[in-house]
Amino acid sequence: DSGVTQTPKHLITATGQRVTLRCSPRSGDLSVYWYQQSLDQGLQFLIQYYNGEERAKGNILERFSAQQFPDLHSELNLSSLELGDSALYFCASSMSSYNEQFFGPGTRLTVL
Amino acid sequence: QKEVEQDPGPLSVPEGAIVSLNCTYSNSAFQYFMWYRQYSRKGPELLMYTYSSGNKEDGRFTAQVDKSSKYISLFIRDSQPSDSATYLCATIISYSGGGADGLTFGKGTHLIIQP
Repeated sequence: DSGVTQTPKHLITATGQRVTLRCSPRSGDLSVYWYQQSLDQGLQFLIQYYNGEERAKGNILERFSAQQFPDLHSELNLSSLELGDSALYFCASSMSSYNEQFFGPGTRLTVL
Repeated sequence: QKEVEQDPGPLSVPEGAIVSLNCTYSNSAFQYFMWYRQYSRKGPELLMYTYSSGNKEDGRFTAQVDKSSKYISLFIRDSQPSDSATYLCATIISYSGGGADGLTFGKGTHLIIQP
């Protein structure tokens, strides 16, 4: 158990809908990262927050957004969902940008 | 050219063998290197973290980094069936002004340890 928690474990929804994924980092970690894992693209970095502020952006679509709250938990919002958004979404946390990143169990999103 | 290249396998070896997993990278700005193990559809588990050329050992695992040739390796000694998983190499760029991006991953190598 990495200490990073994610909810829900599974999410099934329809195209065009909006969903919110939630992540709680390990105790003491200030950085939260979101990653998407699909069969064809592998693990891809989406976005990083550090102590409530956006720190870095990767291959995140404009339909996706995230935020980190004062208690350091983070939410990833996915809107106008398409079939191709079906993937595993992982959250990771670390003390700072250069420290080891620890991953949560993931949320499996299925868009029908 | 992908930034981090990794042979997807599968790589099948008998129990007890020494396993060698490898990645190459193209960007010399990558400075920190990690190996993760991922069981099917589970969260990646950090195995090794290193930031310098040379070897780092932890139990049955040894990570090796050669920055001059942009080559990283993970060796597993006395391999066990429970080591069967996908192994992902990852790296991260550090910027002179501080801060870093997220991890850049290889596609992963599927390892099978035969009992």
